[in-house]
Amino acid sequence: ETGVTQSPTHLIKTRGQQVTLRCSSQSGHNTVSWYQQALGQGPQFIFQYYREEENGRGNFPPRFSGLQFPNYSSELNVNALELDDSALYLCASSFDTGELFFGEGSRLTVL
Amino acid sequence: GENVEQHPSTLSVQEGDSAVIKCTYSDSASNYFPWYKQELGKRPQLIIDIRSNVGEKKDQRIAVTLNKTAKHFSLHITETQPEDSAVYFCAAMDGGATNKLIFGTGTLLAVQP
Repeated sequence: ETGVTQSPTHLIKTRGQQVTLRCSSQSGHNTVSWYQQALGQGPQFIFQYYREEENGRGNFPPRFSGLQFPNYSSELNVNALELDDSALYLCASSFDTGELFFGEGSRLTVL
Repeated sequence: GENVEQHPSTLSVQEGDSAVIKCTYSDSASNYFPWYKQELGKRPQLIIDIRSNVGEKKDQRIAVTLNKTAKHFSLHITETQPEDSAVYFCAAMDGGATNKLIFGTGTLLAVQP
């Protein structure tokens, strides 16, 4: 176990809806990253938060947003869902730029 | 932008044989190269990693080699077992201020008993 937990594990939404995915980082980890993994592909970096500030972003539109809280939890929000947003969303925590510890992921299906 | 290429996409071996997966990266500032094993529906699990100041690292049946000049690194699994069957991803850490990982496209390894 990595000490990183994500919720929900599975969810189904329809196009145009909004979704919030949650992650609880390993205690003491001040950095959290979110990745999107489409079926049959490698994880793609969405963004990273360090001490509650976004400090890096991948090639994802602004409708993907996030928050990191002082209690080692974080959120990924996706607005105006599209069919292509269907994927496994992985949260990974670390201390500074050290090893990443992945959660089990949230599998999102957009119909 | 940064890119990691991984080959082969699928690999089938007989139990007991060796398996080799190769990756190349584009960002010369990358200094950390982890390998992940991902079983169906599960999270990626770190199996071995190597930093740029080391050319080779071994952990029991698994080894990784790194050639910084050529910007490629490889995973070697010896004496493969059916439980080694999974998708393997290589990754390179971004050379900037974050620990962003650029992943390869994955290799589906099937170990035939």
